[in-house]
Amino acid sequence: EPEVTQTPSHQVTQMGQEVILRCVPISNHLYFYWYRQILGQKVEFLVSFYNNEISEKSEIFDDQFSVERPDGSNFTLKIRSTKLEDSAMYFCASMTGHSLLYYGYTFGSGTRLTVV
Amino acid sequence: AQKITQTQPGMFVQEKEAVTLDCTYDTSDPSYGLFWYKQPSSGEMIFLIYQGSYDQQNATEGRYSLNFQKARKSANLVISASQLGDSAMYFCAMREGVYNFNKFYFGSGTKLNVKP
Repeated sequence: EPEVTQTPSHQVTQMGQEVILRCVPISNHLYFYWYRQILGQKVEFLVSFYNNEISEKSEIFDDQFSVERPDGSNFTLKIRSTKLEDSAMYFCASMTGHSLLYYGYTFGSGTRLTVV
Repeated sequence: AQKITQTQPGMFVQEKEAVTLDCTYDTSDPSYGLFWYKQPSSGEMIFLIYQGSYDQQNATEGRYSLNFQKARKSANLVISASQLGDSAMYFCAMREGVYNFNKFYFGSGTKLNVKP
């Protein structure tokens, strides 16, 4: 079964450093997402991406965050200057683009980011 | 107002018994989808079951069924014949609107522990 692949599974970074989280969505999917889950809390939407541009972003997704799909296969989330509160599990997801409401996303297995 | 409310932070159930995980939702959109995801300790998000707002019958998927009460805006997950492998976090989620690429709203989750 096709899967969304996220690397690394765990990343530790110093506060103030830039970090790039990588995702390889399912190949024929058209919509891409990042969500985050602070430890013990709910999963929160960050951003959606379609046709090489951001289609929606939450208030969490400020100027410190950016996304891109540099080569048609990878989908990355960059955090420019990490803060302690950025420590969380980050989930990438992708979606086919069919119009039926039925379809759930396919989530990746997540990257646990720890900012020290 | 919270879009998705899960009021049970933790639940215990005896192996082979049934358990109900509660979820209420809030939306003014007539078209929406309700989803349940399982998150084992390894962290990945596993899609379990879906219920559309126009579906007349409750959704079922194997041992999972969704008790959909539209007037009460509730979408409880019922797991029959619990197994030790069902021990995990369970998230209720909603997507509003007719398009399946819209973002998810997640609840805060219920941690289910299945006792042998």
